[in-house]
Order: sequence, then structure tokens, then C-alpha cells
Amino acid sequence: GAVVSQHPSRVICKSGTSVKIECRSLDFQATTMFWYRQFPKQSLMLMATSNEGSKATYEQGVEKDKFLINHASLTLSTLTVTSAHPEDSSFYICSASRGGSLDTQYFGPGTRLTVL
Amino acid sequence: GEDVEQSLFLSVREGDSSVINCTYTDSSSTYLYWYKQEPGAGLQLLTYIFSNMDMKQDQRLTVLLNKKDKHLSLRIADTQTGDSAIYFCAENNSGGYQKVTFGTGTKLQVIP
Repeated sequence: GAVVSQHPSRVICKSGTSVKIECRSLDFQATTMFWYRQFPKQSLMLMATSNEGSKATYEQGVEKDKFLINHASLTLSTLTVTSAHPEDSSFYICSASRGGSLDTQYFGPGTRLTVL
Repeated sequence: GEDVEQSLFLSVREGDSSVINCTYTDSSSTYLYWYKQEPGAGLQLLTYIFSNMDMKQDQRLTVLLNKKDKHLSLRIADTQTGDSAIYFCAENNSGGYQKVTFGTGTKLQVIP
């Protein structure tokens, strides 16, 4: 159990367009979902934490108007990169946990975003 | 803030043991994790250890925790070419919302 999927796995878009990435927990209900960004050969940087039905909590330096996060159900969270620019190109990874203060996070396979 | 550090690269021969080390600064860490990331993929949880434990063994994997020195290690016995990947240690700070801080990652290269 504890499978998390992401869609799409890869996306290429033109500068100025918006891109939506979906994160789904397939076999469990995820009270909390997390969005990370990973630059090449670097560690994961937490962007935001979202709880179902609540507004996301963004980490310092992450623009909430640029990276819109919606966690409308216990199995789905979406990240929308608005007005994407080449510097937004990155590997975006989501994770989900069942809940509780110390529950393990299960990671999705990631989405490679390339903005031309 | 919290800091988690790892050496960047480790190369071992197939069949040997690999030891990947990690140091962290947050003394309130409750869980410590090891994740594996293969190229172009997400993170796979390998194992975790609760902070009141010194050691945890799971098949070829052995995790050692020295809480006094804030040092965590992952030993992979009989390393195989399929173990080649980047390994991240991570700690769960107890500061709400299960915020996890990841290390810088260690790239393990297994030489046949």
C-alpha cells in the first residue's frame, strides 16, 4: 500500500503559460500532501504543505500566487505553475501522508517541467 | 534552521558493503529516514528509525543512529549494481505538519 502517483510525468510548455500537476494517493487517504522542488543534482526543497480542505502553508521564499496549490479531496492535490518561465523548469515531487504529527511521507514519481 | 549533511559521492565494488553517512543538527528529531532516488524518479522510502533506537536492521540494510553525535548511517550489505542511486537521509522535525528536512544526497556508484 501507500502508492502515490503524479501526472503528467513530463511536460514541456511555452513561457507564459500555466501548467497543472496532479498528485494522487491511490490506496490511502492523504490528510496532508507536500510539494517539493528538486534542482539538478540537489536535494529536495519543500515548497508547501497542504491539508485537505485548508489553504496551503508555503515555505519562505515560495510565491503563493505563482505556485497555486489545491487539496480539494483526501486523495488529490494539484500544483499549478502560473505564467511559467524558464527558471521554473525543474523536477517537482509530491508526497502524501495519512496524517498524525509524525506519519511517514510517501513520494510520487515526480514531474519534469521544462519551460521553453 | 535545521541542517542535514551528507557526503556527495561513494563508489564501491559489487559485493562489498556500502556505508553512507549523515549528520544532522536538530536534536528534537523524532524520526530519521533513508530514501533512495533512481535517475528521473521519485523517492522510495527504504527504512526509518525512531530516535530512541540505536540500530535497525532490515534484510541487507542496517541503520545506525548515534543520537549524542547526531550521526546516522546506512549500511548496505552485499551491494549490487541495482543499488546505484542517490540516497537521501531525512529527519522529521517535531515542529508540526511533519516537516521533513532532507540531506544533500549521496550518489552511490556500484562498480561491477
